[in-house]
Amino acid sequence: GAGVSQTPSNKVTEKGKYVELRCDPISGHTALYWYRQSLGQGPEFLIYFQGTGAADDSGLPNDRFFAVRPEGSVSTLKIQRTERGDSAVYLCASSSTGFLGTEAFFGQGTRLTVV
Amino acid sequence: AQKITQTQPGMFVQEKEAVTLDCTYDTSDPSYGLFWYKQPSSGEMIFLIYQGSYDQQNATEGRYSLNFQKARKSANLVISASQLGDSAMYFCAMREGNRDDKIIFGKGTRLHILP
Repeated sequence: GAGVSQTPSNKVTEKGKYVELRCDPISGHTALYWYRQSLGQGPEFLIYFQGTGAADDSGLPNDRFFAVRPEGSVSTLKIQRTERGDSAVYLCASSSTGFLGTEAFFGQGTRLTVV
Repeated sequence: AQKITQTQPGMFVQEKEAVTLDCTYDTSDPSYGLFWYKQPSSGEMIFLIYQGSYDQQNATEGRYSLNFQKARKSANLVISASQLGDSAMYFCAMREGNRDDKIIFGKGTRLHILP
């Protein structure tokens, strides 16, 4: 597809379970970002990839959260031992320039609900 | 302290009227960038307009303009001739320094355009 694709669009999981959220960036975009948007809030930065490596993971809230991008394209955000507070929309964006603000394209997000 | 403050959680505006969405920011970095994004109900973040801290003129993009008042640390978005399709969440955001990876978002304003 032409845009950033995130799957699944919705995920309901039980507290304590493990989940994986997938992001397919626009082909050729080297920069990839994950943000988390809680209800009533603006998106909060989680992690930024440039190619295969995490250039900045300072936004990951704790060690239950981990993200990979092994081949420099698709990225997976992994959450272990999910908690109800992890419920949010997880947004992914990609950019060809590494400049998030004006050059990035966002996906429609994955809505994660932990029950 | 919040870096981006949007004081209007919701606004109702009659179609074809102009609307101003407020945003104030806080930074000690002399170099920064300010952004506005639109988030429709489908969830993706759509970039609207950008203002650099050293830009002499206010940014404009079609019906969108940014009323940049540096001394007041204000970056209000003005939408002229509002349309029904403008109904959405609007986020003000800031990049500090030359950091490309991290953008800080405000909590957003939900705009409702009335027919």
